[in-house]
Amino acid sequence: EVQLVESGGGLVQPGGSLRLSCAASGFTVSSNYMSWVRQAPGKGLEWVSVIYSGGSTYYADSVKGRFTISRHNSKNTLYLQMNSLRAEDTAVYYCARGVWLDVWGQGTTVTVSS
Amino acid sequence: DIQMTQSPSSLSASVGDRVTITCRASQDISNYLAWFQQKPGKVPKLLIYAASTLQSGVPSRFSGSGSGTDFTLTISSLQPEDVATYYCLKYNSAPFTFGPGTKVDIK
Repeated sequence: EVQLVESGGGLVQPGGSLRLSCAASGFTVSSNYMSWVRQAPGKGLEWVSVIYSGGSTYYADSVKGRFTISRHNSKNTLYLQMNSLRAEDTAVYYCARGVWLDVWGQGTTVTVSS
Repeated sequence: DIQMTQSPSSLSASVGDRVTITCRASQDISNYLAWFQQKPGKVPKLLIYAASTLQSGVPSRFSGSGSGTDFTLTISSLQPEDVATYYCLKYNSAPFTFGPGTKVDIK
């Protein structure tokens, strides 16, 4: 069964760091585009970052320079390292597969607050 | 960067009505457009990709059309289970961008 399971969310103070993980099963992360998408409370979907199968990475302007997307091929896992966190980064973070995001995880909640 | 707009922002329609949602890109994105449905408290679900290709398992009352800058999502006969917010996504090149969403409910 194709599945994505996120973990690593939690409560963090402004300026802090957090690393999200997205464990995949049923397919190979490194053979697919993989994205992170977030949704702030009561708001719409916001695309955050993508890593292409070839390894190129791209970011939304709102997170560029603070977030880093990566993957661990042998663990078949996607990551999002989030540094210099701000209150406006508070959201549910989803990982999703492919160019058109055909498979989504259940999401992990990140709360940035003092 | 390419901006995505959607209209209307919300709509209310009766069961059985034909519903149309529009998504517009600020530049030509060819057919690199997807549509998602998100029910309250749930994970978004892919409905359509490549502007008009129905994702496996999605009811045939959903359809998509358009190319270039103007796209539509149509629900041919609105059902109670279609109450949700609908988002478009452009994915021709990074950064990918979602539209702001259209909330659909039953009158």
